Amino acid sequence: EDQVTQSPEALRLQEGESSSLNCSYTVSGLRGLFWYRQDPGKGPEFLFTLYSAGEEKEKERLKATLTKKESFLHITAPKPEDSATYLCAFGSGNTGKLIFGQGTTLQVKP
Amino acid sequence: DTGVSQDPRHKITKRGQNVTFRCDPISEHNRLYWYRQTLGQGPEFLTYFQNEAQLEKSRLLSDRFSAERPKGSFSTLEIQRTEQGDSAMYLCASSLVPSNEQFFGPGTRLTVL
Repeated sequence: EDQVTQSPEALRLQEGESSSLNCSYTVSGLRGLFWYRQDPGKGPEFLFTLYSAGEEKEKERLKATLTKKESFLHITAPKPEDSATYLCAFGSGNTGKLIFGQGTTLQVKP
Repeated sequence: DTGVSQDPRHKITKRGQNVTFRCDPISEHNRLYWYRQTLGQGPEFLTYFQNEAQLEKSRLLSDRFSAERPKGSFSTLEIQRTEQGDSAMYLCASSLVPSNEQFFGPGTRLTVL
């Protein structure tokens, strides 16, 4: 069964304290690994798409990487405004529907 | 603003009532998706349109749920005879083939009393 698991469920960091979020997946045919940011009460905001193992993408303090079994979202020197829930998902089948993990809620304290 | 829009943003209804939500995708996007999200969980796929054709429905979508996308533009999601278990955030997303990057709207928060 296609499945995606994120860890940890929650993460508290001090401002400037770098860390990584994990997304592990088992899927028969990966059609992209996606990262989204979601603020409370809002829809997910697209961050990155990764398609093949070894691929990396960066945006400001965030860098996403992909292996054959998992993806990492690295956060370098985070700021309080990075506090949010980070969701990963993979594209499934020809429809492109996304299968989401449960998310990691990040809190960055000043 | 050229992003995905949803209306209403919040809906409170009594059990047994019917509700309808609207989604306006990004104008040139030909794929439109509906997802449902409950507290502490990631979004779950409900249904998908390519242009005006509804091509896949999740097993989560019971007979009380119906979705349309007339003329391949906006979409509506109707829930008949609402139940308390229908309380959730209903999210709409759109994409443009061949890209699978989906852009989400702000969601409609449904509360069934």
